[in-house]
Amino acid sequence: GAGVSQTPSNKVTEKGKYVELRCDPISGHTALYWYRQSLGQGPEFLIYFQGTGAADDSGLPNDRFFAVRPEGSVSTLKIQRTERGDSAVYLCASSLGRAGRPGGELFFGEGSRLTVL
Amino acid sequence: GQQVMQIPQYQHVQEGEDFTTYCNSSTTLSNIQWYKQRPGGHPVFLIQLVKSGEVKKQKRLTFQFGEAKKNSSLHITATQTTDVGTYFCAALIYNQGGKLIFGQGTELSVKP
Repeated sequence: GAGVSQTPSNKVTEKGKYVELRCDPISGHTALYWYRQSLGQGPEFLIYFQGTGAADDSGLPNDRFFAVRPEGSVSTLKIQRTERGDSAVYLCASSLGRAGRPGGELFFGEGSRLTVL
Repeated sequence: GQQVMQIPQYQHVQEGEDFTTYCNSSTTLSNIQWYKQRPGGHPVFLIQLVKSGEVKKQKRLTFQFGEAKKNSSLHITATQTTDVGTYFCAALIYNQGGKLIFGQGTELSVKP
């Protein structure tokens, strides 16, 4: 597709359940970012991939959160034992290059809204 | 802790008035990007600043990067209703790898 695709667009789950959020970046983009955004707040950095490897996962809040990008394209954010505080919009973004260099701008998907009851 | 502070949080203007949002950091920034997010939408890239003291213009929008590379501003001249949204700065902190840290954003509303 032409842009970053995220699925599902909405996910409602119960406390304690496991969820997976998928991100399909723009073809050819080597960098992929996950952010989460709560109402009225800026995107909060979670993890950044360069190719298949996690270049920086310092934003993952705890060990319930995990993300993979096995083939350097599609990425999945996995959340175990969900808690009500995990409710937010999870944004994925991709870029052609590294921030600060030509092509370093982020292209965001529409987000996956997660609600934990 | 918060590394990139953005002010003000909200700004309400009359159409035709100017608007400025500021982004500040206590640490040196490698570069800074600006994004706009419309209500219900996702952030959309506006511009990237890399050099100390850099100034870039896009029509009515003027972006500046401070001489010390610790602050940046976005100024909109003669706001229009189409400027409504939240403006975010996103900074690459010097020596902290490739993660972009977003500010809290400035929500702009424009009264016609």
